[in-house]
Amino acid sequence: SQQGEEDPQALSIQEGENATMNCSYKTSINNLQWYRQNSGRGLVHLILIRSNEREKHSGRLRVTLDTSKKSSSLLITASRAADTASYFCATDRYSGGGADGLTFGKGTHLIIQP
Amino acid sequence: DGGITQSPKYLFRKEGQNVTLSCEQNLNHDAMYWYRQDPGQGLRLIYYSQIVNDFQKGDIAEGYSVSREKKESFPLTVTSAQKNPTAFYLCASRKDTSYEQYFGPGTRLTVT
Repeated sequence: SQQGEEDPQALSIQEGENATMNCSYKTSINNLQWYRQNSGRGLVHLILIRSNEREKHSGRLRVTLDTSKKSSSLLITASRAADTASYFCATDRYSGGGADGLTFGKGTHLIIQP
Repeated sequence: DGGITQSPKYLFRKEGQNVTLSCEQNLNHDAMYWYRQDPGQGLRLIYYSQIVNDFQKGDIAEGYSVSREKKESFPLTVTSAQKNPTAFYLCASRKDTSYEQYFGPGTRLTVT
């Protein structure tokens, strides 16, 4: 079964607005990653947050992590048309550190309306 | 340019035929991975390799096989035993000292 589950499944907003996506996971983690996938393309790593971090920023991205609730959120501020994509959270399959691959959620499909 | 290449981008096969998907990287990464993605779904791990001449099954390995004879290459064979092979296949690699995975552009396989 999927380790991470994103919410909502789809999100449509106007350009310039902020977009928030949530991810819930089931087991304890060392870190949580967010990836972006443009339609029909490979995934691109966006940001990683470690289990001992509560918030992390990278440009227009802000990620939070609440290990007590086993959840994370990704905020994209001042959205642009180029942000239209699917966004996935991912955790290590096993707690050993990522060498054994990642477990992905089903993703949030974000559409930015011009 | 460093990166991961997958070929071909689109692949069509008849049911009952084996097919091999190529994945090459020049990032000097030790670990490589194959994932499968179905429409509206996340990625599921098929096989992975942490070092040359060694590989392990992922969560959905049945009907697939791999080899890792060179550090740069990790081909995936979809055999006729795979019951539902039509999907988007993604190859990734990872540096030992990092958690981040680098993905190729993917191969869309259609079996009829």
